[in-house]
Amino acid sequence: GAGVSQTPSNKVTEKGKYVELRCDPISGHTALYWYRQSLGQGPEFLIYFQGTGAADDSGLPNDRFFAVRPEGSVSTLKIQRTERGDSAVYLCASSLKLRGLDEQFFGPGTRLTVL
Amino acid sequence: QKEVEQDPGPLSVPEGAIVSLNCTYSNSAFQYFMWYRQYSRKGPELLMYTYSSGNKEDGRFTAQVDKSSKYISLFIRDSQPSDSATYLCATPDTGRRALTFGSGTRLQVQP
Repeated sequence: GAGVSQTPSNKVTEKGKYVELRCDPISGHTALYWYRQSLGQGPEFLIYFQGTGAADDSGLPNDRFFAVRPEGSVSTLKIQRTERGDSAVYLCASSLKLRGLDEQFFGPGTRLTVL
Repeated sequence: QKEVEQDPGPLSVPEGAIVSLNCTYSNSAFQYFMWYRQYSRKGPELLMYTYSSGNKEDGRFTAQVDKSSKYISLFIRDSQPSDSATYLCATPDTGRRALTFGSGTRLQVQP
């Protein structure tokens, strides 16, 4: 079956530009997560959606970062005025927690390079 | 201090070796402990998890949690070249859905 998909797989942009990263979760998964993974590090949490609403955005580093999920399925992570320090792999995950452990299924990521 | 600390590696072993991967954590309230495997240029995939203390075995893999010392381990028996990947320990933040990851240990199994 289809897993989590992310587009584009690679994005190169210039400092100061605006970028949008897209995530298509597993069909039927109500929860969606964004993480950021820098080179040699583990993923760091950015934001979590339950349905259409952002249930926890405590990981967003500053107000240049914003994410939406208007219909409770596809999500877009938006970064304004990109900086070189934003270069990383942006991972999306989705889950359908019924009880017990919330298993998050990750996409392959979007590799963002800010020149 | 990070909430989850992990030996950075890289770790290189010959095929067939027993591998031990380790993490420590600081928050005694953590209950679930997970191991993710991440191949190069792929997203992490859940390998196995444990709840609270004890051991859990799945084929060649054994996950172990010692809550008294806040120590998490993953053992791989009869390691194979296909096990070459980065292994990440993770735990859900208390009362939240977000996962806190260690920095990952890169494992290379030489044929």
